[in-house]
Amino acid sequence: AQSVTQPDIHITVSEGASLELRCNYSYGATPYLFWYVQSPGQGLQLLLKYFSGDTLVQGIKGFEAEFKRSQSSFNLRKPSVHWSDAAEYFCAVGARSGGSNYKLTFGKGTLLTVNP
Amino acid sequence: EAGVAQSPRYKIIEKRQSVAFWCNPISGHATLYWYQQILGQGPKLLIQFQNNGVVDDSQLPKDRFSAERLKGVDSTLKIQPAKLEDSAVYLCASSLAGYGNTIYFGEGSWLTVV
Repeated sequence: AQSVTQPDIHITVSEGASLELRCNYSYGATPYLFWYVQSPGQGLQLLLKYFSGDTLVQGIKGFEAEFKRSQSSFNLRKPSVHWSDAAEYFCAVGARSGGSNYKLTFGKGTLLTVNP
Repeated sequence: EAGVAQSPRYKIIEKRQSVAFWCNPISGHATLYWYQQILGQGPKLLIQFQNNGVVDDSQLPKDRFSAERLKGVDSTLKIQPAKLEDSAVYLCASSLAGYGNTIYFGEGSWLTVV
């Protein structure tokens, strides 16, 4: 069965600093990988996704992620963090769920705090 | 484009009572999901529909949880009787049918069982 590990429960960075959130996955086939962000009291918003091709994926809000098959990782990065990036970030792996459908399995999330 | 709509946003009930959550997916989305998110954890899939058929309900506690998607559009998730450990956010999501289409989430229904 598929699984996702986000080793860091909580990360604090200063505004303007760079950011890297770690994600490791376990899946028996070629993975479809996702990063979602959740602001307090809100639903999940898709930041970016990887299906195939270029292993460096660009997303919204200046985020990017790199797929490394040898390390089973899909880390999220941002060169300069803004105060509005404070939120919880979830990594997910997509797995087939019957027919032409798929379902997401999420990690436990990383809470990002941004200091002014 | 309207997003995934959910109601009610907040609900407080006593244990052993029942509760129902409603979801209206994005127009044209054949696939609908219900996820449970307990505080401090990632969302966990409860049930997945394609049109009005169940694709995956392997993690749905069927002794107390039920869900339906009549006519392949709106969906209702019911809990009866509720337990304290059911306190969570219930997220509805939808997507176009097919592998890899983006899954869009609603803002969730927050349930507190006291």
